[in-house]
Amino acid sequence: AQSVTQLDSQVPVFEEAPVELRCNYSSSVSVYLFWYVQYPNQGLQLLLKYLSGSTLVKGINGFEAEFNKSQTSFHLRKPSVHISDTAEYFCAVSDLASGTYKYIFGTGTRLKVLA
Amino acid sequence: DAEITQSPRHKITETGRQVTLACHQTWNHNNMFWYRQDLGHGLRLIHYSYGVQDTNKGEVSDGYSVSRSNTEDLPLTLESAASSQTSVYFCASSGDLGTSGVETQYFGPGTRLLVL
Repeated sequence: AQSVTQLDSQVPVFEEAPVELRCNYSSSVSVYLFWYVQYPNQGLQLLLKYLSGSTLVKGINGFEAEFNKSQTSFHLRKPSVHISDTAEYFCAVSDLASGTYKYIFGTGTRLKVLA
Repeated sequence: DAEITQSPRHKITETGRQVTLACHQTWNHNNMFWYRQDLGHGLRLIHYSYGVQDTNKGEVSDGYSVSRSNTEDLPLTLESAASSQTSVYFCASSGDLGTSGVETQYFGPGTRLLVL
């Protein structure tokens, strides 16, 4: 069965510092990987996704993620964060290749950007 | 622009009452999903549908039901609300294989439900 682990429940970081949010997954088949962001009192918005091809994926708001098949990881990075990046970030996996459209979500990482 | 809406945005109810949460999408997507979000659990799938008259149970379906009579709507019903169902509920939709962006789910703004 698939599962997603987000290793950090909370990550505090100072403004303009770099940040990495970690995500590991377990699956016996090829998967699609996603990062979503949830701003306070809002729904989830897609940041980026990995389907195939280049392992470095660029998303919105200056975020990027790297797919590492050998380590089954899909860590999210941003070289310089802003106060406005304070939000909760969710990693998700989908086994679309097998014909299912379902996602499995991680438990989320709350990013707090400090002035 | 296409969108996905949920109503009500906030709801307070009492234990034992039946509650229905509405989800409406104008993407013309066949796939629709209901999740609940709880601290420490992330989002967990309640029910999902791959088309009209199709419904499937997710990992936390006990106490919930859905029906799909048209493409646009997937209402979620709590048959007899329990305090354990206090949560934030999100609806999402996605397209079909062969369409652009099929793998991406689009989320509604959520419904906050409090069961007293």
